[in-house]
This record gives sequence, structure tokens and C-alpha cells, in this order.
Amino acid sequence: DAGITQSPRYKITETGRQVTLMCHQTWSHSYMFWYRQDLGHGLRLIYYSAAADITDKGEVPDGYVVSRSKTENFPLTLESATRSQTSVYFCASLTRDTTANTGELFFGEGSRLTVL
Amino acid sequence: GQNIDQPTEMTATEGAIVQINCTYQTSGFNGLFWYQQHAGEAPTFLSYNVLDGLEEKGRFSSFLSRSKGYSYLLLKELQMKDSASYLCAVNSGNTPLVFGKGTRLSVIA
Repeated sequence: DAGITQSPRYKITETGRQVTLMCHQTWSHSYMFWYRQDLGHGLRLIYYSAAADITDKGEVPDGYVVSRSKTENFPLTLESATRSQTSVYFCASLTRDTTANTGELFFGEGSRLTVL
Repeated sequence: GQNIDQPTEMTATEGAIVQINCTYQTSGFNGLFWYQQHAGEAPTFLSYNVLDGLEEKGRFSSFLSRSKGYSYLLLKELQMKDSASYLCAVNSGNTPLVFGKGTRLSVIA
């Protein structure tokens, strides 16, 4: 089915462990994004990617690593998880038609990560 | 950087009209999104404004003034199911798609 999927949906890990959250989209959208959402902070941009092999830092990149070897995949890695990284993580991809002035950001269902 | 401001909370009565404001400061403006998010769920798309003016979609309308760095989301004929957070996001040239903190709307009977 077409769409954007995240895995795992739920993850519990321990401080210091490496964790990778996967994101896969079937539309071949160029732009993809990773956000974290915490109470009181809303959605905060971690990293984004404009195309395969092009990634850029967002608002809160520290402690995270991303890669984009293929257009459809945009994994997010926490190299050494900390308790402050306990959060809900959303992946998203963007479609935008500058001629028609339309656009939409499609979100995955989210990955709830708990770091003990 | 970007600065996006929305009220934190609003309360409105079922059947009424509510306006949720969003002000922003950014460079290289490309467009502004509004999203709805129910607790425990992913955000869902409401609107995308690129040009100045009002766009209407059923009970929801969104307005943009680029010169004022201002947008609002207008919800008419409020229903209980409209209780949710409403998120404003700016698509800009520098750091694209930064969201405001969201406005939590409570619809009461």
C-alpha cells in the first residue's frame, strides 16, 4: 500500500544503547523529515533531507544521526540513547506543487521510544 | 532562525466559531501549513496556504497575510470531535517545515 510507515511503533531501551527508527515512503517524495514531540514543546524538527544523500540539521539534532542512501528510506539513529530522548518520533514526507500552489506533509504513525 | 507563535490553549462552545492565530517570522517563505492532531495520533493535514487570502474547505478556512507574517485557522459550527491540537508550520527556505507549539482547542457543550 502507498504511504509512509515507521518501525518500530513502540520501543523500550536502556541508556547508552543504540536505537534506529526506520521510515519508509512509497511516493518517491524528495523531502523527508524527522520530528520529536514532547509535552510542552510541540513538534520539533530533528533532521531533514532534500533528496538521497542530502541531509541537514533541524532545530534539535544533537544525539541523532540520519542517512538517506535511497529516496524511500530515512532512518534515524540514536547512537547512545539518553533518558531525555524519550519521546514520540514522527517521520514525514513532503509533496509540493509550486505551479498549483498545493502541498501536503504526510506523517507516519509515530514511534514511541522510552529510554530507561 | 524562525519564530512561530500560537496561543497555547483555547476553549469554545459547540456550534460556535473559533479563530486560531499563528504569527511567524522567517526568511524565504514558501507556504504555511495547518494540521490537526488528536491525542495519541499523528497530525492530519488541514490546509496549505501560499498566497494571501482566505481558502475555505467545508467548516475549516485558513487565511494568510505574508506581509504581516500572519495566518489564522477558522473553524465553524464547532463539534465535540474538533477538540484537538492545531499546529501551524512554516515552509521556508532556511529550515523548512518548523512547527509552532500548537494550540489545544477544547470544545465544550
